[in-house]
Amino acid sequence: DPKIIQKPKYLVAVTGSEKILICEQYLGHNAMYWYRQSAKKPLEFMFSYSYQKLMDNQTASSRFQPQSSKKNHLDLQITALKPDDSATYFCASSQEDWANYAEQFFGPGTRLTVL
Amino acid sequence: QQKVQQSPESLSVPEGGMASLNCTSSDRNFQYFWWYRQHSGEGPKALMSIFSDGDKKEGRFTAHLNKASLHVSLHIRDSQPSDSALYFCAASEMLSGSFNKLTFGAGTRLAVCP
Repeated sequence: DPKIIQKPKYLVAVTGSEKILICEQYLGHNAMYWYRQSAKKPLEFMFSYSYQKLMDNQTASSRFQPQSSKKNHLDLQITALKPDDSATYFCASSQEDWANYAEQFFGPGTRLTVL
Repeated sequence: QQKVQQSPESLSVPEGGMASLNCTSSDRNFQYFWWYRQHSGEGPKALMSIFSDGDKKEGRFTAHLNKASLHVSLHIRDSQPSDSALYFCAASEMLSGSFNKLTFGAGTRLAVCP
């Protein structure tokens, strides 16, 4: 059974619209993350959460808003979509680790295309 | 300039051969290094971590870290077609204000030819 579920697998949106990417993890982890991978940039850290609290935000734009309704959920809301937002978005999780060396487990990703 | 740089961009080795991947960091705050592997259509999966100078071996995979030069390498012996994938080097800072943020290199695409 998949331990990290991301929905949907593929998403097509029009410029200016809003979408929510879903992530659920069943590894019992307390920390969750979002990363983005595009043709132009390598895997890029976006957010980290621990016990549903935002720990780090490396995304310059406020159009990207994580939402954590449960400990094992971390959704990503993206508003006013732009073609440059086209990428594969990966959710990841780990044990909480302030020493920064916990292994991160990645989901299968959501591929977003903005037309 | 990317803080984590990988070489080569792509690599082709025969089945049973040795693949050698390299990674260099320009940031001395990086203390922990990981190798991740990503097969097409999947998320990255951690292969191994290395935190101390020297070699670390796990099965067919050996990682080497030189903290003085901030150079990390990954060697895959007896390469198999199933090893064909995109390999990422990733680094994190020790006890920084950033909570477990991984910084990835651009990746090395490995092709193992039967």
